[in-house]
Amino acid sequence: AQSVTQPDIHITVSEGASLELRCNYSYGATPYLFWYVQSPGQGLQLLLKYFSGDTLVQGIKGFEAEFKRSQSSFNLRKPSVHWSDAAEYFCAVPTTSGTYKYIFGTGTRLKVLA
Amino acid sequence: ETGVTQSPTHLIKTRGQQVTLRCSSQSGHNTVSWYQQALGQGPQFIFQYYREEENGRGNFPPRFSGLQFPNYSSELNVNALELDDSALYLCASSLRQGEAFFGQGTRLTVV
Repeated sequence: AQSVTQPDIHITVSEGASLELRCNYSYGATPYLFWYVQSPGQGLQLLLKYFSGDTLVQGIKGFEAEFKRSQSSFNLRKPSVHWSDAAEYFCAVPTTSGTYKYIFGTGTRLKVLA
Repeated sequence: ETGVTQSPTHLIKTRGQQVTLRCSSQSGHNTVSWYQQALGQGPQFIFQYYREEENGRGNFPPRFSGLQFPNYSSELNVNALELDDSALYLCASSLRQGEAFFGQGTRLTVV
């Protein structure tokens, strides 16, 4: 069965520092992959998505992610974090067997130090 | 183009009561999915409706039920509320196998 693992529950970085959030997936074929961000008490906002083609994907708010098939990973990166990036980040993969639904990781909560 | 809207935004109910949550899908989308997000967890799939028919269900008991209307809006109903039902309930609309767009969620607190 498909699954998504986000190994880091919490990450703290200083403002201006670089960021990498990890996501590993288990999937039989080439997956579609998504990163969402959730501010406290809010819904999910799509940061970026990978369907096929170029393995380096650019998203909103200066985020990017790289699909690495050999490592079953889709890590999210940002060169310089802003205080407003403090939020929870979810990696997700949609299933294609049966109902088309999303499987989410447990999330990584990002704290940004001033 | 309007986005996905959910109502109400917050709700407090007593254990044993029933609750109805509502979702208006994005214009042109015919599929609505509901997710439950408990505190500190990722969203979990409850069920999906496509053209007014249930189109798949996650590991949730029958007291979680839903409807989809001809305009593709949807309701999530939960009977006999339990304390563990306290969560953020997210609605997502899409085309049948397309990218999902999420609403802001309804925060349900069961006391």
